Amino acid sequence: EVQLVQSGAEVKKPGESLKISCKGSGYSFTRYWIGWVRQMPGKGLEWMGIISPGDSGTRYSPSFQGQVTISVDKSISTAYLQGSSLKASDTAMYYCARLASPEYYFDYWGQGTLVTVSS
Amino acid sequence: DIVMTQTPLSSPVTLGQPASISCRSSQSLVHSDGNTYLSWLQQRPGQPPRLLIYKISYRFSGVPDRFSGSGAGTDFTLKISRVEAEDVGVYYCMQATQFPYTFGQGTKLEIK
Repeated sequence: EVQLVQSGAEVKKPGESLKISCKGSGYSFTRYWIGWVRQMPGKGLEWMGIISPGDSGTRYSPSFQGQVTISVDKSISTAYLQGSSLKASDTAMYYCARLASPEYYFDYWGQGTLVTVSS
Repeated sequence: DIVMTQTPLSSPVTLGQPASISCRSSQSLVHSDGNTYLSWLQQRPGQPPRLLIYKISYRFSGVPDRFSGSGAGTDFTLKISRVEAEDVGVYYCMQATQFPYTFGQGTKLEIK
């Protein structure tokens, strides 16, 4: 069974850093890209970026380029989303999702990681 | 960036009746390989998104056949033939033809 399991909820103060994880199982991890999607409270889905676990190649949305870093440790089938200098506006649910190729759709999703940034 | 515009933003529907959601892209979603990478996702309250349809009209595994997708170029439609209570949620179209991938703003389906 394909699963993406994300790390637990985080509460951070403004200015702090964050690294959340997404562990894949039940499939060959390096064969599928992993994407990250943000959902601010009560809002829609925003595509942040994507990584190829095979070669760590990444593509970012211009809206998030320079604001976040997506990385992967293929030895433990885990992708990461990292951010620094957090602001209250980074408060959101963050989802990882697997990109099926070559049809290019997100077929499996993590359960989401709620990040709250508050002083 | 390709802008995805959904209509309506809210759709009150009677149980057992059909529902339709439109998604329009700011430019053609036909990829250089000839395919169109337009998918539809459903997000039930408190849940992560779930894939319903990919490449315009292909139903994902386990998706009921009351869901169907159609369209071409820049205009796409998701139809539910007979709405059931479990269909309540927000529906998103998403394009993966060109980076950055982009989502529509979402259409909230609710029961009258």
